[in-house]
Amino acid sequence: GAVVSQHPSRVICKSGTSVKIECRSLDFQATTMFWYRQFPKKSLMLMATSNEGSKATYEQGVEKDKFLINHASLTLSTLTVTSAHPEDSSFYICSAIGTSSYEQYFGPGTRLTVT
Amino acid sequence: AQSVTQLDSQVPVFEEAPVELRCNYSSSVSVYLFWYVQYPNQGLQLLLKYLSGSTLVKGINGFEAEFNKSQTSFHLRKPSVHISDTAEYFCAVTAAGGYQKVTFGTGTKLQVIP
Repeated sequence: GAVVSQHPSRVICKSGTSVKIECRSLDFQATTMFWYRQFPKKSLMLMATSNEGSKATYEQGVEKDKFLINHASLTLSTLTVTSAHPEDSSFYICSAIGTSSYEQYFGPGTRLTVT
Repeated sequence: AQSVTQLDSQVPVFEEAPVELRCNYSSSVSVYLFWYVQYPNQGLQLLLKYLSGSTLVKGINGFEAEFNKSQTSFHLRKPSVHISDTAEYFCAVTAAGGYQKVTFGTGTKLQVIP
C-alpha cells in the first residue's frame, strides 16, 4: 500500500522559534497533500490543501503567514510553524492522494510541543 | 457541504463481544464514506470505504460497515472484538465523483475490556 512519512515524529521547541515538518509520499506521486491539526481527544481539523507547484489553499481561520506550506515536488510537502507559541502545541498529521485515487493516505503524525 | 455525526464518544465493550460504532452523515449529493482507526500517537489507517456498489463493505481486521442511504448511516461493526481493537475510530465523508474535501466525525473511542 501507499506509504506517507512525516519527519520529525516529535519536536520540542522554544516559544518564538520556527519549526519545519516534512511530509513525504514514499512510493507514489502525490498531486495533493493535506495538513491537519488534531487537538487532544478531538477530531482532525483540516488546515490547508497543498497542490504541487501552486499555493496552498487554507481553511477559514488558519493563518497562512503562521503556517507556511510548501509543496515543491510530487513527493514532498512541508509545513513550517513560524514564531511558535505554546498554543500551537498539537499533533499535526499530513495526508496525500495520488493521481487516480479518492483515498487519503495518512502520515504517522508529528507531535509539536512549544515551551 | 457534508457533515458526519458520531453520537458515541466512547464505547466500552468486553473482549470477544460484538460491537457497533454509529455514524450518520448529511449531504445533498452522493457521497463516499470511510472509516479510519487511530492508535495512540499515530496517524490514521483506513479500515474500509464505500464508493459504490454493494452496500455491505468488508474491511481489514474483521470490520465491516453497511451503507444505508435511506437512513443516511454507515455504521461500523465487528462480531468479536479483541484487546488490540482498542483505539479511536473516525467516520469520514466526501462528495462523490472527483476528489473533494473529506469531513471527519468527532471520533469514537472503543475501549475493549478484558
